[in-house]
Amino acid sequence: AQSVTQLDSHVSVSEGTPVLLRCNYSSSYSPSLFWYVQHPNKGLQLLLKYTSAATLVKGINGFEAEFKKSETSFHLTKPSAHMSDAAEYFCVVSDQNTGRRALTFGSGTRLQVQP
Amino acid sequence: NAGVTQTPKFQVLKTGQSMTLQCAQDMNHNSMYWYRQDPGMGLRLIYYSASEGTTDKGEVPNGYNVSRLNKREFSLRLESAAPSQTSVYFCASSHKGDQGSIKTQYFGPGTRLLVL
Repeated sequence: AQSVTQLDSHVSVSEGTPVLLRCNYSSSYSPSLFWYVQHPNKGLQLLLKYTSAATLVKGINGFEAEFKKSETSFHLTKPSAHMSDAAEYFCVVSDQNTGRRALTFGSGTRLQVQP
Repeated sequence: NAGVTQTPKFQVLKTGQSMTLQCAQDMNHNSMYWYRQDPGMGLRLIYYSASEGTTDKGEVPNGYNVSRLNKREFSLRLESAAPSQTSVYFCASSHKGDQGSIKTQYFGPGTRLLVL
């Protein structure tokens, strides 16, 4: 069975400082991993995805994530936060071996960006 | 392209009432999904349809039914709404990946449902 744990329910940073959103996963096979962002009262937008190619994945809006198999982690980072980054972020895992191609979502991390 | 569209955007029901949430996609995707989002729990899969003509249960299917009307449309029905079904419902779609290949899912804007 697959699962994902987002280690922080809330993260607050100042504008211009780095962002780190932590995610650990559990998967019985080679996982695909995603980060989605949800702005208030909006749907989910894909930030980036890892599918067993390069371990450092670059996404939209300056975000990137590094897949570390030894640590079963897929943390999301951004060098410099912008006010528009304030949103909820979901780490998502999909086990290629499940056959149903469904996604398992973490509980989310709410990012606040202070001016 | 409109992507994934959902109707209605917001609905209030009384306990025991029925309703259907509509979802359509114009990306020629084979697979479609219904999720519910509750505070602190991320999104949980209710039902999915890997291809036209097939549907399967997800993690939390009780109290729901679905219909894959055609390739574009995938509806979610609540036959007898309960307060526990108060949630935000998201529809998603993706290309059908080969076994071992996960395709990106694209989400609609959501339907906020309140059951009194």
